[in-house]
Amino acid sequence: NAGVTQTPKFRVLKTGQSMTLLCAQDMNHEYMYWYRQDPGMGLRLIHYSVGEGTTAKGEVPDGYNVSRLKKQNFLLGLESAAPSQTSVYFCASRGELFYHNEQFFGPGTRLTVL
Amino acid sequence: SQKIEQNSEALNIQEGKTATLTCNYTNYSPAYLQWYRQDPGRGPVFLLLIRENEKEKRKERLKVTFDTTLKQSLFHITASQPADSATYLCALAPGQNFVFGPGTRLSVLP
Repeated sequence: NAGVTQTPKFRVLKTGQSMTLLCAQDMNHEYMYWYRQDPGMGLRLIHYSVGEGTTAKGEVPDGYNVSRLKKQNFLLGLESAAPSQTSVYFCASRGELFYHNEQFFGPGTRLTVL
Repeated sequence: SQKIEQNSEALNIQEGKTATLTCNYTNYSPAYLQWYRQDPGRGPVFLLLIRENEKEKRKERLKVTFDTTLKQSLFHITASQPADSATYLCALAPGQNFVFGPGTRLSVLP
């Protein structure tokens, strides 16, 4: 049982390049989330999904796109990377029971955009 | 505007003492509140959840209180140990999603 995994762990991009971050969970969770974490700002929600085939915008969605084609995978795409997207990205998942559910986080992806 | 604040960016305490961390929020009506622990270079790990109709929750050396009138949660670690050193995050659930505070970095000194 691997929980939530993220690939890659580190990446350096040049401004304007594109990339996709992959999140996978093996807990059969319905809900999945992408956050970014910047110093002093806590975790901010980028996009989320409430089930296979669904996506929705979070607090800071601009410059990112997501897809949830399979229940276990949630992809985060950067079409044209900007230095402001330098951050640590975390994926999380949780099950359906709202009042009892904790989020399970992946180990993070550290992205630097030059 | 909506805001979540955690009492201080960093907190140093002596081993064996009780650490108390504060989470204050404005303009939210959360159904529940969670506390997470985050170690450097790792993702947050869930610790405790407390619902809006609960005053207090305990788990081993951890205790959480939730006062919806004051819009505040207190997180206590009793008999603190150097291994408790980490960043602690509070998270509100005002709806389907979660809103996180900036975190408090706790250092327990031997």
